[in-house]
Amino acid sequence: EAGVTQFPSHSVIEKGQTVTLRCDPISGHDNLYWYRRVMGKEIKFLLHFVKESKQDESGMPNNRFLAERTGGTYSTLKVQPAELEDSGVYFCASSPPGQGGFYEQYFGPGTRLTVT
Amino acid sequence: EDQVTQSPEALRLQEGESSSLNCSYTVSGLRGLFWYRQDPGKGPEFLFTLYSAGEEKEKERLKATLTKKESFLHITAPKPEDSATYLCAVQARWSARQLTFGSGTQLTVLP
Repeated sequence: EAGVTQFPSHSVIEKGQTVTLRCDPISGHDNLYWYRRVMGKEIKFLLHFVKESKQDESGMPNNRFLAERTGGTYSTLKVQPAELEDSGVYFCASSPPGQGGFYEQYFGPGTRLTVT
Repeated sequence: EDQVTQSPEALRLQEGESSSLNCSYTVSGLRGLFWYRQDPGKGPEFLFTLYSAGEEKEKERLKATLTKKESFLHITAPKPEDSATYLCAVQARWSARQLTFGSGTQLTVLP
């Protein structure tokens, strides 16, 4: 079974440019999450999709970040315009469907974003 | 606000030298505590989930335990391939499913 995949693995852009990160979750996983680690700090939650709906976007830092999950499959995270403080590693994770209870989240390898 | 504190930040062990990593947490109602392993350049790899105080889980040389305030990851007779950063995360009852992570313990096992 394929794991969570992310593309690109590394992106270097200039301040003010736009970048789009992509995540493909494990097949059959309705839940998809975005996290990021900046400046060597802890991994921080950004948002959570259930299928194509945003369940929780309380961690999104500001309106320069836009996440979508059309069709409930893969997801994209767009940063526009990028700022220096957006540099870091962006992780995507997924978990199986189900109400009540909870499941472990399986993480992708991450996208390292460098804004210069 | 939920908080997770891991100690030590870094730990160097000789092969075969057993030790424990600590994860202290403050959460408004714990739904679950997760341990992950992260190798350089890779994403966190799931190890264990603990749900309630007193619970223990084992996998090869690793054993995770949980109390009402902290969790321990015991490493018995470690090998160099156990070298990695070990992350602890909690999920609160109030949250949808978001995880709150600690900063991790970087473990190095010397041959």
